Amino acid sequence: SQQGEEDPQALSIQEGENATMNCSYKTSINNLQWYRQNSGRGLVHLILIRSNEREKHSGRLRVTLDTSKKSSSLLITASRAADTASYFCARGSDDKIIFGKGTRLHILP
Amino acid sequence: DTEVTQTPKHLVMGMTNKKSLKCEQHMGHRAMYWYKQKAKKPPELMFVYSYEKLSINESVPSRFSPECPNSSLLNLHLHALQPEDSALYLCASRVAGGEKLFFGSGTQLSVL
Repeated sequence: SQQGEEDPQALSIQEGENATMNCSYKTSINNLQWYRQNSGRGLVHLILIRSNEREKHSGRLRVTLDTSKKSSSLLITASRAADTASYFCARGSDDKIIFGKGTRLHILP
Repeated sequence: DTEVTQTPKHLVMGMTNKKSLKCEQHMGHRAMYWYKQKAKKPPELMFVYSYEKLSINESVPSRFSPECPNSSLLNLHLHALQPEDSALYLCASRVAGGEKLFFGSGTQLSVL
């Protein structure tokens, strides 16, 4: 399968805690992207990291990329109830963009 | 306008019906995508159009027929579907040569 593996598949944390999700892939990449999906709606692009970057920040989001291990992680700091969603990594070559299996994140009040 | 609009939002059809899903964007994006998503699964790529030409078909059964009449519009024609085709169908677009996908909110399809 071209799909990457994401772990954990599901994660429940208390509001205010940090959430970390991981993504592994098999083929070489130009970039890796992270998307969020709220309960069966369309996906929203969160952040993109290029293959020559090791870390990137956007607000409460921090993404790292380790091309030697073919893995990436997404950290959400100071989680909020509104962060409850599914998170997917995605990688593409040319027009083909493939999504990983995703992590379902649940923020507990 | 930074939206991808999909219609209808919900569709129920019988196995002998013919229906179409519609996707529209006015961002000048020249790459448009159809994905299929089952519950608690990731989106699966079906088709990609680049400059109104089909560039990727991920071995999708012929009962799904895509069409890109112009640079703003993408259709997915459905015929003789099976109950296992019930899913959320997502349309997305991006700038040609760009990286970020913009998604519509999807059509929830139920095949009875």
